[in-house]
Amino acid sequence: SSELTQDPAVSVALGQTVRITCQGDSLRSHYASWYQQKPGQAPVVVIYGKNNRPSGIPDRFSGSSSGNTASLTITGAQAEDEADYYCNSRDSSGNHLYWLFGGGTKLTVL
Amino acid sequence: QVQLVESGGGVVQPGRSLRLSCAASGFSFSRYGMHWVRQTPGKGLEWVAIISYDGSEKYFADSVTGRFTISRDNSKNTLYLQMNSLRAEDTALYYCVKDVALRFLESPGSWGQGTLVTVSS
Repeated sequence: SSELTQDPAVSVALGQTVRITCQGDSLRSHYASWYQQKPGQAPVVVIYGKNNRPSGIPDRFSGSSSGNTASLTITGAQAEDEADYYCNSRDSSGNHLYWLFGGGTKLTVL
Repeated sequence: QVQLVESGGGVVQPGRSLRLSCAASGFSFSRYGMHWVRQTPGKGLEWVAIISYDGSEKYFADSVTGRFTISRDNSKNTLYLQMNSLRAEDTALYYCVKDVALRFLESPGSWGQGTLVTVSS
């Protein structure tokens, strides 16, 4: 099966823009979803589909994709955005469907 | 709002079985696919299984195929994960997750708080 690759750690200065990337062959055919997880909490979806934000997710979060790379952009990062971020995408092998998670990116807001 | 409450976790010996349940409320359960996703303490997420809104489609991760089964009871708004032949590497926090799409298998959306499974002798 294929994989999704993320940088283990990224940092951003408060108020600046940061892009978190996710690479994998499945992303050529399927959109990525993005999840934010803070310590001791369950993950929360922040982006899914082409660039959909669930209600309650600030509009500073956006998603994009090009080729085999999906990106989560936080425009004007806030202290509360410090968390682990995971990408996810669907993939298939014949008639078998499965979902993949990236290894996660730890975002530090300086 | 969406509420997912997992139960059934615990300590179990290798080779034994365990059944997890997930009680859903706050949305039309019978219209959404449902996932199980697990997380080893301090590590990343691993997708485990999915069942379609009507139970007609089921898919599993390679790591659990043949050992785990997924089912649902739409009359009870409840999702299940039957785990057989458990191994130490199945030790994890298991999350019940609602899909984002109506009557379609797209991606995990809303998450429960998880139930901890520990496989140890």
